[in-house]
Amino acid sequence: DIVMTQSPDSLAVSLGERATINCKSSQSVLYSSNNKNYLAWYQQKPGQPPKVLIYWASTRESGVPDRFSGSGSVTDFTLTISGLQAEDVAVYYCQQYYSTPITFGQGTRLEIK
Amino acid sequence: QLQLQESGPGLVKSSETLSLTCTVSGDSISSSNYYWGWVRQPPGKGLEWIGSIYYSGTTYYNPSLKSRVAISVDTSKSQFSLKLNSVTAADTAVYYCARQPSTSGWFFWFDSWGQGTLVTVFS
Repeated sequence: DIVMTQSPDSLAVSLGERATINCKSSQSVLYSSNNKNYLAWYQQKPGQPPKVLIYWASTRESGVPDRFSGSGSVTDFTLTISGLQAEDVAVYYCQQYYSTPITFGQGTRLEIK
Repeated sequence: QLQLQESGPGLVKSSETLSLTCTVSGDSISSSNYYWGWVRQPPGKGLEWIGSIYYSGTTYYNPSLKSRVAISVDTSKSQFSLKLNSVTAADTAVYYCARQPSTSGWFFWFDSWGQGTLVTVFS
């Protein structure tokens, strides 16, 4: 199984500042034949299902604000939220879909400082 | 607009079988562009993929659950279903159904989710 490890487990950021969440996979999720990283990012607010923000490591889902961006390749990935807003308080998960079983990171809780 | 709705008992007795159904509306469950999956989340914990199914019936399961799980699809009813047998308290979770884009026989991220249903296993 590919183990996804996120850091930090929680962080507090001031409104308007940048939040950075890291995700490391235990093996490469870069598929060489198409040069795509099989990684997605989700946001989950209390009492709601997860919502996809980013797929292919850096492609923003339609309707997702451009303050959310994804970067990284192979085994190391980052979700960046630029200009944090109050509505961004949530738990964020990374997920690999390179191989089964599909696996998620343990989650990072983002709060306002 | 795509909607997914989970249904099924909210309480299941230990050692029995958990059965849930996801009804899909606003899109065809027979689309060749998607797989349909189940994900669960124990209270206060993270996400665990259970398995995914294509409209043709092709299934993939999490090996950690494979001996106990079965996912099926009924295209005539626009539904897919989950059965998990021999449940224990560790199976208590919110169960989500979700859609996964697919190409070339593989499936990817979850782009649309149901609201989830809490299933509690009791003894």
